[in-house]
Amino acid sequence: DADVTQTPRNRITKTGKRIMLECSQTKGHDRMYWYRQDPGLGLRLIYYSFDVKDINKGEISDGYSVSRQAQAKFSLSLESAIPNQTALYFCATSDFGTRQYFGPGTRLTVT
Amino acid sequence: EDKVVQSPLSLVVHEGDTVTLNCSYEVTNFRSLLWYKQEKKAPTFLFMLTSSGIEKKSGRLSSILDKKELSSILNITATQTGDSAIYLCAVEDSGAGSYQLTFGKGTKLSVIP
Repeated sequence: DADVTQTPRNRITKTGKRIMLECSQTKGHDRMYWYRQDPGLGLRLIYYSFDVKDINKGEISDGYSVSRQAQAKFSLSLESAIPNQTALYFCATSDFGTRQYFGPGTRLTVT
Repeated sequence: EDKVVQSPLSLVVHEGDTVTLNCSYEVTNFRSLLWYKQEKKAPTFLFMLTSSGIEKKSGRLSSILDKKELSSILNITATQTGDSAIYLCAVEDSGAGSYQLTFGKGTKLSVIP
């Protein structure tokens, strides 16, 4: 959905570098999520936030941190990137319903 | 721990065929099951099934929830090359913190002319 944007769309970085992935939404949703997708593994939840003051770890939070700067913005950081964090990263949002709306994804490569 | 299993993991069919994709789940407190279609990038929503809405249909696609068997199927009739995608099943467990979805690994469907 164009209402959920992610930057950058593609990024190549080196092992040990800090990198931030950003997500913005204009849907007015309170809930935001970060997922990673690896071939053959589906989507796995990294972190989620139900409002600006609420941050929760997901299934695979180790090595990642997040910041909810505003209702519309949710950033994912890799403090010291490692090669096995190479993946496709998705941001998603939802309102009080279950349906989640996904951004276009960021393809991250760690060399 | 929640578990969502999709089968088959990949499938190749010819245009015009009918396909059935499967999703089984094990969750503590089932709330809903969702199907998404993922083509090149972002997953796009297809259906949401709940205890009060166990069957959905949209054009050539339909889905049924079987709460007794803890499973769902996604049917696609008269397949077209545009149906080629990864189909993701996700389940929400209301006991694990509502609005979290657990995704299966997906079924990769390839439709050849």
